[in-house]
Amino acid sequence: NAGVTQTPKFQVLKTGQSMTLQCAQDMNHEYMSWYRQDPGMGLRLIHYSVGAGITDQGEVPNGYNVSRSTTEDFPLRLLSAAPSQTSVYFCASSIGATEGYTFGSGTRLTVV
Amino acid sequence: KQEVTQIPAALSVPEGENLVLNCSFTDSAIYNLQWFRQDPGKGLTSLLLIQSSQREQTSGRLNASLDKSSGRSTLYIAASQPGDSATYLCAPLYQFYFGTGTSLTVIP
Repeated sequence: NAGVTQTPKFQVLKTGQSMTLQCAQDMNHEYMSWYRQDPGMGLRLIHYSVGAGITDQGEVPNGYNVSRSTTEDFPLRLLSAAPSQTSVYFCASSIGATEGYTFGSGTRLTVV
Repeated sequence: KQEVTQIPAALSVPEGENLVLNCSFTDSAIYNLQWFRQDPGKGLTSLLLIQSSQREQTSGRLNASLDKSSGRSTLYIAASQPGDSATYLCAPLYQFYFGTGTSLTVIP
């Protein structure tokens, strides 16, 4: 089992560029979520999904887009990168809302 | 919105000391609670998952308790070691919110 796999591990973008952060899990988990982690602010929820075809916004969704076409994959799209999106991004999955989370190793994104 | 507070924000202790990390949450309508460890520059590793029907969960030198009625959980680390140095986060499950963590340094 690979668990939750995030790619890339590091990325540098120029302001205005777009990109997709990939997240895949092989545990057949229904729930998947994206977080950003900034110094002093902890983990903040960006978007989440409770199953294929179902997504919803979290605490800080602006500037990000998601889709969930399969149970395994939950990509996060940055539409037009801004320096304020410089952060570490984590993807997590769980069997259900009340079950334990499994996290990916993160993507460190810098927008210049 | 669920507010999750972890106290203290940072803690430095000598090796061998027993210590307690605290997690409080405002909405007690949670199901389970999970404790994580995060090493610098790394992802989150699950330490313990406490089911709502339990009051405690143990793994090695770690013991976590959960009191839903008071909105509190504690993580007890026995006989701390330098390898325990990391940030510890709690997450009351159901609402996707995390505490900001306690940064622990164990001094050899």
